[in-house]
Amino acid sequence: QVQLVQSGAEVKKPGASVNVSCKASGYTFSSYGIGWVRQAPGQGLEWMGWISAYKGNTNYAQNFQDRVTMTTEKSTNTAYMELRGLRSDDTAIFYCARVSLVFGVILDYWGQGTLVTVSS
Amino acid sequence: DIQMTQSPSSLSVSVGDRVTITCRASQSIDNYLNWYQQKPGEAPKLLIYAASSLQSGVPSRFSGSGSGTDFTLTISSLQPEDLATYYCQQSYSPHTFGQGTKLEIK
Repeated sequence: QVQLVQSGAEVKKPGASVNVSCKASGYTFSSYGIGWVRQAPGQGLEWMGWISAYKGNTNYAQNFQDRVTMTTEKSTNTAYMELRGLRSDDTAIFYCARVSLVFGVILDYWGQGTLVTVSS
Repeated sequence: DIQMTQSPSSLSVSVGDRVTITCRASQSIDNYLNWYQQKPGEAPKLLIYAASSLQSGVPSRFSGSGSGTDFTLTISSLQPEDLATYYCQQSYSPHTFGQGTKLEIK
């Protein structure tokens, strides 16, 4: 069965960087992409971008493109999302999701989420 | 960028109700529209893709319709486990989400 398992909760100071991992299993990793979504406490879902696990091409949302880097490691079926220059309003749960391109970008399986707290 | 606007933002419902949630795109996205369900404390779950295609394993009481700029998610007979927040997302770039519709018990 398809599973995405994310790394554990993080506490960071303002200005620091965070690196969240997302380990995939149960499918051919390079046949899909991985997308990332941010959800601030009590708020809605915010699209951050996605990466093709096949070629490593990335597509970042405008709000994040200056601060985010998404990568994949095919040898371990793991995707990573680095967010730099953290601010207090980056406190959120970050989700990874498998990207299926059956019809546009479809997030068909999700990780459990990683809580990132930014506090001095 | 294309904006996605859902209505209503919240809805008081009863078990057995027929529930309709609307999502409007600021410009045409053909039928590049997905719907997700998120229960409290859980990750979102894909319900509908390509505006009207039911994801495998999703109960048939869920259906989606629409194309262009106007879309609807319908729950034909609400069950207790359907109490959640529902989000639309355009699967056309840049893949923005609507603000969500929270279903609450009347």
